[in-house]
Amino acid sequence: GQQLNQSPQSMFIQEGEDVSMNCTSSSIFNTWLWYKQDPGEGPVLLIALYKAGELTSNGRLTAQFGITRKDSFLNISASIPSDVGIYFCAGLGPSTQETSGSRLTFGEGTQLTVNP
Amino acid sequence: GAGVSQSPSNKVTEKGKDVELRCDPISGHTALYWYRQSLGQGLEFLIYFQGNSAPDKSGLPSDRFSAERTGGSVSTLTIQRTQQEDSAVYLCASSPSGRGTGELFFGEGSRLTVL
Repeated sequence: GQQLNQSPQSMFIQEGEDVSMNCTSSSIFNTWLWYKQDPGEGPVLLIALYKAGELTSNGRLTAQFGITRKDSFLNISASIPSDVGIYFCAGLGPSTQETSGSRLTFGEGTQLTVNP
Repeated sequence: GAGVSQSPSNKVTEKGKDVELRCDPISGHTALYWYRQSLGQGLEFLIYFQGNSAPDKSGLPSDRFSAERTGGSVSTLTIQRTQQEDSAVYLCASSPSGRGTGELFFGEGSRLTVL
């Protein structure tokens, strides 16, 4: 099946630093998304990307949908303590989009720790 | 409530027992999904409902796992004869329609521990 390779697995940074994480796949995706999960909570959608080459911002977050449709990155600028959590990339493939709604393939997550 | 509600939040059971996990999606959301999250892992798709039918149940790991949805609303995930490898957080998500936008609204999950 489709798999997403997400890196890095974990990051330890100082408050105020910028952060970058990315996802790659051997298969193409029609949609790339980034979710954040706080401890004891379900993931929450941060950014959705629907078009190859698209660059989208949401406050301090910026994400891009790779032109090959096989990768995406997420940048967080000027990190703050509440950015702590697990960040997941997720993709929606062309075949599953036809048959299975929003059945997503998830990466394994990037655990972000921000030191004040 | 306004969000996806799951119960129980925590369940500890003995190997071999059956368990039922419940999901109450956001009112009006026609699509419902179950995912499993093992410790330190990403989310693994289990099953997708559109209304009361399940067009995609290909992620269920074995025939010990089953799920149903009634009234286009509440869903129950049942695991029979639980095994230790079933220990995980089971997450339910809903979305307004079956249109593939990728936007899912997740509940807080049910943490299952099989002793």
